[in-house]
Amino acid sequence: DGGITQSPKYLFRKEGQNVTLSCEQNLNHDAMYWYRQDPGQGLRLIYYSQIVNDFQKGDIAEGYSVSREKKESFPLTVTSAQKNPTAFYLCASVGQGNQPQHFGDGTRLSIL
Amino acid sequence: AQKITQTQPGMFVQEKEAVTLDCTYDTSDPSYGLFWYKQPSSGEMIFLIYQGSYDQQNATEGRYSLNFQKARKSANLVISASQLGDSAMYFCAMREEGTGGFKTIFGAGTRLFVKA
Repeated sequence: DGGITQSPKYLFRKEGQNVTLSCEQNLNHDAMYWYRQDPGQGLRLIYYSQIVNDFQKGDIAEGYSVSREKKESFPLTVTSAQKNPTAFYLCASVGQGNQPQHFGDGTRLSIL
Repeated sequence: AQKITQTQPGMFVQEKEAVTLDCTYDTSDPSYGLFWYKQPSSGEMIFLIYQGSYDQQNATEGRYSLNFQKARKSANLVISASQLGDSAMYFCAMREEGTGGFKTIFGAGTRLFVKA
């Protein structure tokens, strides 16, 4: 079945450590997105990418980095510069036109 | 600037009754799309309904309908005949063209509680 796979489901980060969250899709979608969700809050856009080798900052990009070397993959790195990384991270993709976003199951990141 | 505003942090509704969840948006782009998603406690995002800015009629999907008032920039979700399984967070979202492609931004959400 086509879909979006995020891994790992749970991730723990030590102080000063960079961690990478994986997002893979087999829907042949061009656009991919990363969102952060804090408890009881909405989704805030971190980065988005319309095509391979191109990506744009969202509203809260500081302390995060991404790459888009393949159409299927859009990994997110939470760097040590992100001082409050504890949150639920959701990856999404969308095809052409007015299609809704497809979401992965999310990764919960916590600080050790 | 806040682009999507959901003014109801929490809402209660009696089972089998209808409920309206409010959403207002702000954009200067004439072409945009509006979406509603449901997020149960499990965290998954479930697409409910879509309304395009040029659509003349309000969108409907089963028990969900979208009350689209373009001049007022409002896109309220109406859930008819509420069920206990409708208890969840509900997010309004807008897709518009940004730098380097389309982006979708979300409101803060409304938590709906359905009472038996």
